[in-house]
Amino acid sequence: QQPVQSPQAVILREGEDAVINCSSSKALYSVHWYRQKHGEAPVFLMILLKGGEQKGHDKISASFNEKKQQSSLYLTASQLSYSGTYFCGTEATGKLIFGQGTTLQVKP
Amino acid sequence: EAGVAQSPRYKIIEKRQSVAFWCNPISGHATLYWYQQILGQGPKLLIQFQNNGVVDDSQLPKDRFSAERLKGVDSTLKIQPAKLEDSAVYLCASSFGTGAEKLFFGSGTQLSVL
Repeated sequence: QQPVQSPQAVILREGEDAVINCSSSKALYSVHWYRQKHGEAPVFLMILLKGGEQKGHDKISASFNEKKQQSSLYLTASQLSYSGTYFCGTEATGKLIFGQGTTLQVKP
Repeated sequence: EAGVAQSPRYKIIEKRQSVAFWCNPISGHATLYWYQQILGQGPKLLIQFQNNGVVDDSQLPKDRFSAERLKGVDSTLKIQPAKLEDSAVYLCASSFGTGAEKLFFGSGTQLSVL
């Protein structure tokens, strides 16, 4: 079952914050976040393993609510380099299923 | 550290022709994945290998797609015969183990079926 991401697209100015949500209808073992720039391969950002876990990566952090089967990715003080498509990947039965992606555009 | 190698980078074929993609994962990575990414969508898992055994191929259209990973190292994905709807980027990824492991992706093969 493919996870659902929201919003589908976000446009920001440099320095603004954004939140990308990922929800699943299945109980999850882990949630992965990847970023893909146009014409390139997806690049790993982080994995969250436990319910309620939060992780950070520079000014990008994420939370995982196991009970609600949801994860959120937080981008603070966005930079131009944050532009791209963000995918969450959910793992329930040993295989990683990706959402449809959220396109983020950061403008100067 | 060398990354995941894929070839070719681009391929244009006509429908009903056959095509093959090659992937060499990061050395020591037991798990290899083939994903299909249609423009504007997330990667869709086609097949997952652990060493040379298939872990999951439930999304692989087996009437036209086949994949193998001989000797548990590099892998080949084949489409025969190709359809227009197979136009996509085919991404290979590898990870050290299975489960909650970071995936390393190759640059992909962009396939256009005319």
